[in-house]
Amino acid sequence: DGGITQSPKYLFRKEGQNVTLSCEQNLNHDAMYWYRQDPGQGLRLIYYSQIVNDFQKGDIAEGYSVSREKKESFPLTVTSAQKNPTAFYLCASSKSQGGTGELFFGEGSRLTVL
Amino acid sequence: GQQLNQSPQSMFIQEGEDVSMNCTSSSIFNTWLWYKQEPGEGPVLLIALYKAGELTSNGRLTAQFGITRKDSFLNISASIPSDVGIYFCAGQLVSGSRLTFGEGTQLTVNP
Repeated sequence: DGGITQSPKYLFRKEGQNVTLSCEQNLNHDAMYWYRQDPGQGLRLIYYSQIVNDFQKGDIAEGYSVSREKKESFPLTVTSAQKNPTAFYLCASSKSQGGTGELFFGEGSRLTVL
Repeated sequence: GQQLNQSPQSMFIQEGEDVSMNCTSSSIFNTWLWYKQEPGEGPVLLIALYKAGELTSNGRLTAQFGITRKDSFLNISASIPSDVGIYFCAGQLVSGSRLTFGEGTQLTVNP
């Protein structure tokens, strides 16, 4: 079945370590997104990519990095520069950037910094 | 960036009751969408609205695109336990632009 796969679902990290979250989609969508979810704060956009080898910062990009080497893949690295990385991270895709507004989300990755 | 004010933040209701929630903005949006997120999952699109005044239903769910284009409403009729989750509104300023999400409404349904 087509969809978005995020891994790992749960991740624990020590302070000062970088960690990479995986996001793969087989929907043939052009655009991909990373959101951060904290209780009571909705979804905040970290980075997004409209096409391969191109990406733009969202509203809270500091302390994060991404790459888009393949259409299907959009990994997110949470670096040690991110001051408060414990959160639920959601990857999403759409047929084109923005488009009709319909996003398809993965199941999320919960990162806990110890 | 743009902000959406979603209310209420949480609701605790009995099975069978109707539910209403809404989103407001100081900006005019071209598109309003409503998503539902179940525990431990990613959000799923429920209803998309593309025209001011539009009223759209999806089963027991009904959403409306406010006539001023600055608000939207979601109603759930005859709630059931599987309605539990977080409901998010999202707005799009113009077609193709990024979405802005509300803070979410946490719905709990007691059997």
